[in-house]
Amino acid sequence: DGGITQSPKYLFRKEGQNVTLSCEQNLNHDAMYWYRQDPGQGLRLIYYSQIVNDFQKGDIAEGYSVSREKKESFPLTVTSAQKNPTAFYLCASGRGEGEVETQYFGPGTRLLVL
Amino acid sequence: AQSVTQPDIHITVSEGASLELRCNYSYGATPYLFWYVQSPGQGLQLLLKYFSGDTLVQGIKGFEAEFKRSQSSFNLRKPSVHWSDAAEYFCVVGTGFQKLVFGTGTRLLVSP
Repeated sequence: DGGITQSPKYLFRKEGQNVTLSCEQNLNHDAMYWYRQDPGQGLRLIYYSQIVNDFQKGDIAEGYSVSREKKESFPLTVTSAQKNPTAFYLCASGRGEGEVETQYFGPGTRLLVL
Repeated sequence: AQSVTQPDIHITVSEGASLELRCNYSYGATPYLFWYVQSPGQGLQLLLKYFSGDTLVQGIKGFEAEFKRSQSSFNLRKPSVHWSDAAEYFCVVGTGFQKLVFGTGTRLLVSP
């Protein structure tokens, strides 16, 4: 069954701690994305990757880092530099259709600060 | 800059009644348009998309949307709402690869 998985579903972070959110896809999509969702707001792009070993900053990359060592995996690390990390984090992968792309989303990870 | 406006933060509809969720966009070229639905605590599910061609597009779960270039709109409709349709709906503009602009969402409540 193809899809996108994110783990864990809930994650708790202590002050000064780095935490890593997992995102895996078996859709064979080249592109992958990380978004942050806050209440009452639309999604905001953190990082994206079009190909293995390459990634670009999105609109709100400060305090976050990513890696793309495998096509299937795109983990997101929330560093201690991110002062307001409490949010719902969504991973997506993109399927190209000519000049456009459709993005498909995982179930999300909710990050809470202790 | 591209933008998406969903003017209704909340909408309440009786079960069995028709639904229309409004979406207006601002973009200089032909946009690529999407509607996604999100249930509480879940990810986003694609309902439908418009890239080109017929301006009335059909999606999953009985939803449809109509692209009106003259009004810069892409409203979502359903003829008869079910209680399971209660969720948050996002209108999204795509400007090619990598760049999606999300509306702030409309929360649909379904009353018995």
